[in-house]
Amino acid sequence: DTGVSQDPRHKITKRGQNVTFRCDPISEHNRLYWYRQTLGQGPEFLTYFQNEAQLEKSRLLSDRFSAERPKGSFSTLEIQRTEQGDSAMYLCASSFWGAGNTEAFFGQGTRLTVV
Amino acid sequence: ELKVEQNPLFLSMQEGKNYTIYCNYSTTSDRLYWYRQDPGKSLESLFVLLSNGAVKQEGRLMASLDTKARLSTLHITAAVHDLSATYFCAVDKTKIIFGKGTRLHILP
Repeated sequence: DTGVSQDPRHKITKRGQNVTFRCDPISEHNRLYWYRQTLGQGPEFLTYFQNEAQLEKSRLLSDRFSAERPKGSFSTLEIQRTEQGDSAMYLCASSFWGAGNTEAFFGQGTRLTVV
Repeated sequence: ELKVEQNPLFLSMQEGKNYTIYCNYSTTSDRLYWYRQDPGKSLESLFVLLSNGAVKQEGRLMASLDTKARLSTLHITAAVHDLSATYFCAVDKTKIIFGKGTRLHILP
């Protein structure tokens, strides 16, 4: 297992278009998190899953954002009708929550630029 | 709501000096993390602290946790230029909440 994998690494899109990002967590991890990070700021929590259940979604997340983890494995984050303010690094992390909790490991991120 | 505060936010220091970064959080937590981030890169896990009094060391970095004071520290001993980066503490209480980060610049 090579760790948390995110695809694509970079995405440039025109304002108003929809984009979708994918995250493949470490295989035995049951928790998956999405974060957004803008330049000079800390990662901002967006949402997280325990297996396939989405347990919490940030109040800061508009209705244009949606995330799924259909089989409790990989996850997708979709942004509809992108705006310039959506330009950021989108980070995915995974961990195992339960007996023998592990730390959270982050993927390399997807850098989104909305033009 | 859980809040995590780091200070200082910026730190410029000479090589060979010691310094400490502080992380305060507002509620009880299950785990506390320290991460390193280099410019344009993702987050690298440095330490996971699980219980009161926990202390972990790796090279010139040492992290500690005081759950009663809701305080963690990251101590840098005899800093070297390669430690220049942004350091984040994060508190895990079902979801992981990050501080704003400490941008550390070590002058040769």
